[in-house]
Amino acid sequence: DTAVSQTPKYLVTQMGNDKSIKCEQNLGHDTMYWYKQDSKKFLKIMFSYNNKELIINETVPNRFSPKSPDKAHLNLHINSLELGDSAVYFCASSQGTGNRELFFGEGSRLTVL
Amino acid sequence: ILNVEQSPQSLHVQEGDSTNFTCSFPSSNFYALHWYRWETAKSPEALFVMTLNGDEKKKGRISATLNTKEGYSYLYIKGSQPEDSATYLCAPHFGNEKLTFGTGTRLTIIP
Repeated sequence: DTAVSQTPKYLVTQMGNDKSIKCEQNLGHDTMYWYKQDSKKFLKIMFSYNNKELIINETVPNRFSPKSPDKAHLNLHINSLELGDSAVYFCASSQGTGNRELFFGEGSRLTVL
Repeated sequence: ILNVEQSPQSLHVQEGDSTNFTCSFPSSNFYALHWYRWETAKSPEALFVMTLNGDEKKKGRISATLNTKEGYSYLYIKGSQPEDSATYLCAPHFGNEKLTFGTGTRLTIIP
């Protein structure tokens, strides 16, 4: 069983479309994250949820909206996709924050044409 | 913007040799330092989480040290093997509740 799973792994779509990436963790963790790997290969935090509550909301366009229906799931919805949204998006989870290691999903590669 | 620097950016090491690389970060408001190993086409995997000045952690042939007062951590690999080829990321955690990842050191082991 994959500990942190993301779907889809690959997503190719047209500019202007709305798409979602789903993430589920079966580790019993209480904190989940979305990271974006940018063109320079940096991993940048986008959002973090702890027990379904938003605790980190970085400066990302409000076209990006996370949703956490329960502790085990954190989905990322993107409206009106733009070319610059093309990237690999990683979901991660941890038990608590700070000194707890992150467990990453395998990434979802989004390509916007 | 927090400045996390890793050096070198890339490194080629002969199989069997030992190597090390550096992570530098601002020392104020420090909380923890994470090291991750990221193989191509896979997801980052945690190696160590360190919190105390002078901490040393070891996992097999890989070890790490931490100096929180001067803001740096070293990662050491002893007797490099081909399976050590990966990008090694450090990520300090500050009081603002988020990890800030460096760009990584890409290590290639030459058989």
